[in-house]
Amino acid sequence: KQEVTQIPAALSVPEGENLVLNCSFTDSAIYNLQWFRQDPGKGLTSLLLIQSSQREQTSGRLNASLDKSSGRSTLYIAASQPGDSATYLCAVNGNNRLAFGKGNQVVVIP
Amino acid sequence: DTEVTQTPKHLVMGMTNKKSLKCEQHMGHRAMYWYKQKAKKPPELMFVYSYEKLSINESVPSRFSPECPNSSLLNLHLHALQPEDSALYLCASSHHGVKKSSYNSPLHFGNGTRLTVT
Repeated sequence: KQEVTQIPAALSVPEGENLVLNCSFTDSAIYNLQWFRQDPGKGLTSLLLIQSSQREQTSGRLNASLDKSSGRSTLYIAASQPGDSATYLCAVNGNNRLAFGKGNQVVVIP
Repeated sequence: DTEVTQTPKHLVMGMTNKKSLKCEQHMGHRAMYWYKQKAKKPPELMFVYSYEKLSINESVPSRFSPECPNSSLLNLHLHALQPEDSALYLCASSHHGVKKSSYNSPLHFGNGTRLTVT
């Protein structure tokens, strides 16, 4: 069974600092990995999808890397803003099921 | 705004009630999903429909009954629920159906229905 771990569970950073969020998974036989953002009481917003054959994906201030062999992905958010405050979830797609981590709860302090 | 629309946004129901949650997408996606999310926890998969057929049921109790009337709509019928079923119920869709060659499309989630069972 795929186990997905996100560290740290919660973090606070001053506005303008770069955010680094880590995701690790136990089974490297994956199809893709997706990063989501969730605001309190809301659904999940897809941020980036990395296919198993890719090393990284970029969208604006966001960059996600994937090292499938070591079972790791990192989400970088450059120049953080208060609007980036949310919970970030990593989800690994294998065997037609998404296995979610418990999330990184981020607070960006103005 | 999300392209997956869920109604209602909030629902309070008694343990003897029958209610339904609705989900709609017009992106031409062929796979649709129901997830359950408790507070401070990640979403848990309940059901997957692929090309309007139920392809995955994660051993969900029969008091939850999914239905996919057409490729754009997904319902979740609720009956005789328990207070512990109170949660955020999320619908999602993805472009490709559930086939081994088509796993690579991202999931798009709705904003969910906040269900409270009293």
